[in-house]
Amino acid sequence: QVQLQESGPRLVKPSETLFLTCAVSSYSISSGYYWGWIRQSPGKGLEWIGSMSSRGRTFYNPSLNSRVTISGDTSKNEFSLKMTSVTAADTAVYFCARQFCSTNVCSRPASVEYWGQGALVTVSS
Amino acid sequence: QVVLTQSPSASASLGGSVKLTCTLSSGHSSDTIAWHQQQAGKGPRFLMKLNSDGSHKKGDGIPDRFSGSSSGTERYLTISSLQTDDEADYYCQTWGTEIQVFGGGTRLTVL
Repeated sequence: QVQLQESGPRLVKPSETLFLTCAVSSYSISSGYYWGWIRQSPGKGLEWIGSMSSRGRTFYNPSLNSRVTISGDTSKNEFSLKMTSVTAADTAVYFCARQFCSTNVCSRPASVEYWGQGALVTVSS
Repeated sequence: QVVLTQSPSASASLGGSVKLTCTLSSGHSSDTIAWHQQQAGKGPRFLMKLNSDGSHKKGDGIPDRFSGSSSGTERYLTISSLQTDDEADYYCQTWGTEIQVFGGGTRLTVL
């Protein structure tokens, strides 16, 4: 079964950059599917951040687009999230995920199939 | 842009059944959604993908007690033979051309 595990600094200062990595086991990220990030602010619902295809095509939430970059490292079978200029509003549990493709040609991401356990990132000075 | 609406809370008796609803915004009656379960303090778990015709594909290891159905813009998750560990938040999810959307979630209490 596919497993995903988030890692990275859990405390980030305001205006700095958040960086998280998702290590994937039992499936190669270059073989297919989409690989995404979703977050959940304390006591709130789920918010999609963005997704990357197995070929590196990316989609981002328009509300975060200018601050977010998702990229992959196939040699390590992991993918990463970079979010710049963070504020307290970015404090959340960040989940990485594997997502189905919405079409036969995998033109865009669909639902999450596998979730990571999540990583709480706090933005505070 | 599609919007998903869920009731904030629901309750049902141990051993009974419950039907949770996720409503798609107008014009999206053909859309497929997914249901996810999030138990307290844990990451979500994919339950199923649910099509507009009611057909659904479950995730790995999801028991037969969980089923899905559809009617118009409404998508349902029915849980039967309720157990204590079914007490959780349930989220629906859908996707557009370049966007992913989650509903606000329904907190299920098993009495």
